[in-house]
Amino acid sequence: NAGVTQTPKFRVLKTGQSMTLLCAQDMNHEYMYWYRQDPGMGLRLIHYSVGEGTTAKGEVPDGYNVSRLKKQNFLLGLESAAPSQTSVYFCASSYTGSGTEAFFGQGTRLTVV
Amino acid sequence: AQRVTQPEKLLSVFKGAPVELKCNYSYSGSPELFWYVQYSRQRLQLLLRHISRESIKGFTADLNKGETSFHLKKPFAQEEDSAMYYCALSGGGNTGKLIFGQGTTLQVKP
Repeated sequence: NAGVTQTPKFRVLKTGQSMTLLCAQDMNHEYMYWYRQDPGMGLRLIHYSVGEGTTAKGEVPDGYNVSRLKKQNFLLGLESAAPSQTSVYFCASSYTGSGTEAFFGQGTRLTVV
Repeated sequence: AQRVTQPEKLLSVFKGAPVELKCNYSYSGSPELFWYVQYSRQRLQLLLRHISRESIKGFTADLNKGETSFHLKKPFAQEEDSAMYYCALSGGGNTGKLIFGQGTTLQVKP
């Protein structure tokens, strides 16, 4: 049982380049999330999805887009990377939206130079 | 505004000493609060949630609505407790969104 898997684990981008981070979960969870983790700021929600075909903005959505075409996958896109997007990105999923445990991926360390 | 505050970036104690990681929250309504832990080179995982009122790995946390706090406590720290600890608040609306505190690094010295 893999849980939540993120691809890739590390990436270095040049300013202006684009990329897509993939999150896959095998727990049949409805809810999925993308967070970014920055020193001294904890984790902040970028976008989330409450079911296949749905997406919504979180606290820091600017510069990112997401898609949830399949229930098990949640993609995070950066159209034109900026140094301010250098961060560690975490995907998470949960079975319901209230009071249940969120399961996290191992993280993607992205550096934009 | 919904907010979680962890005032200590680093807490350093000796093995066997009591530990208290502080967490204060701001939320209008009935909060759902969690503690997540990230051990070195491992993914973030749930430690405990207030609705369960359970003790995990010797840790407990009591919700104090009057003081709007959810401090994490353990009477005798172990070296394996060294990790980053995040307090989190469920943002409501049945979306599962979590609002995290800044995190506290617990360092347990031998």
